[in-house]
Amino acid sequence: DVKVTQSSRYLVKRTGEKVFLECVQDMDHENMFWYRQDPGLGLRLIYFSYDVKMKEKGDIPEGYSVSREKKERFSLILESASTNQTSMYLCASSWDGIYGYTFGSGTRLTVV
Amino acid sequence: AQKVTQAQTEISVVEKEDVTLDCVYETRDTTYYLFWYKQPPSGELVFLIRRNSFDEQNEISGRYSWNFQKSTSSFNFTITASQVVDSAVYFCALSEEANRDDKIIFGKGTRLHILP
Repeated sequence: DVKVTQSSRYLVKRTGEKVFLECVQDMDHENMFWYRQDPGLGLRLIYFSYDVKMKEKGDIPEGYSVSREKKERFSLILESASTNQTSMYLCASSWDGIYGYTFGSGTRLTVV
Repeated sequence: AQKVTQAQTEISVVEKEDVTLDCVYETRDTTYYLFWYKQPPSGELVFLIRRNSFDEQNEISGRYSWNFQKSTSSFNFTITASQVVDSAVYFCALSEEANRDDKIIFGKGTRLHILP
């Protein structure tokens, strides 16, 4: 069964901490994406990557960075966590957008 | 510009009722793909259906059916005889073939409550 795995389902971090959210896919997909989901705002794209060591900013990249050292792994980094980054974070991967994305289960991050 | 609008933010129906979730899209591309995803309380978005712009046939899968109408740029989703397990957030999405950055545009979602 093909999968996108996010390392944590729930995470609580303190303001100012550096936070790593990990995402691994086993489908050999080229493309990987990070979204955050907030009530009333839908899914907002933070960063995406089309290949190893490549990254592109999405709609709301401020306060975030990403790393893609291996094809199967795409990490989202909160350099200095703030309370307004409390959210649900979803990772997705695809071979080609016209076939849709496969999503992970999400990480619900709370910054206190 | 590409856009997906799900005007219904939240819907509540009683179990066994039929319910239709609306989706209207905008695109300049002649070749595009439409999707529906379901997000149950567990959080993962689950793929339900993919439709290309050249196939306007309605699709039925069990209690689920989809009505694609290019004339009104709509791709509506109907659940017949709803069940409590259908409670979820449903997202409609659009991907354009000409848009080679492979991004999918999502609507903001419709939260569906099925009341027992």
